[in-house]
Amino acid sequence: GDSVTQMEGPVTLSEEAFLTINCTYTATGYPSLFWYVQYPGEGLQLLLKATKADDKGSNKGFEATYRKETTSFHLEKGSVQVSDSAVYFCALIKTGANNLFFGTGTRLTVIP
Amino acid sequence: DTGVSQNPRHKITKRGQNVTFRCDPISEHNRLYWYRQTLGQGPEFLTYFQNEAQLEKSRLLSDRFSAERPKGSFSTLEIQRTEQGDSAMYLCASSLGGGAGSPLHFGNGTRLTVT
Repeated sequence: GDSVTQMEGPVTLSEEAFLTINCTYTATGYPSLFWYVQYPGEGLQLLLKATKADDKGSNKGFEATYRKETTSFHLEKGSVQVSDSAVYFCALIKTGANNLFFGTGTRLTVIP
Repeated sequence: DTGVSQNPRHKITKRGQNVTFRCDPISEHNRLYWYRQTLGQGPEFLTYFQNEAQLEKSRLLSDRFSAERPKGSFSTLEIQRTEQGDSAMYLCASSLGGGAGSPLHFGNGTRLTVT
């Protein structure tokens, strides 16, 4: 069946450090891939997406590239800030489907 | 754009009681989704509506759960005869259209605790 596997957290980084949160997926066909973020006390927000192989999604300094050969969509940021502290969810939606399938989330804490 | 609104924010109930949650989507959005999120897990799809029609239900949605969207605007999710295993965050989301090109906008959720 379909699945999304994220690196386990929590992840704690110092400000300005490089961030990678790994995400791999299993799905039939060619899903679209997403990263959602949940800041403390807020609802889930779409951070970025990619709809086909080799697409790169980017937003707020975050990037992720859809790698079909490794079935991965790793989230990266070159220099994290304290305000990036949140829970990050990798998700997919299959072609023709109507619902997002989420990973378990990775909590990031950035310390000054 | 006032965002997706969910009420109440928190609900504590005793096992066996019925509870009802409300979701007000973004006004021009025709699709409305319900998800459930338990501690340490990602959101799990429950059901979705296109306008007033409920088009898909997950196997997670037991017969104690019922959702409605009577006029294609707000939606309610009712849980009858609550069980402790129903304790979770219930999330509502809306979108204009479906698929990858129509991102979901989530509310802040209703946290249910069944004692």
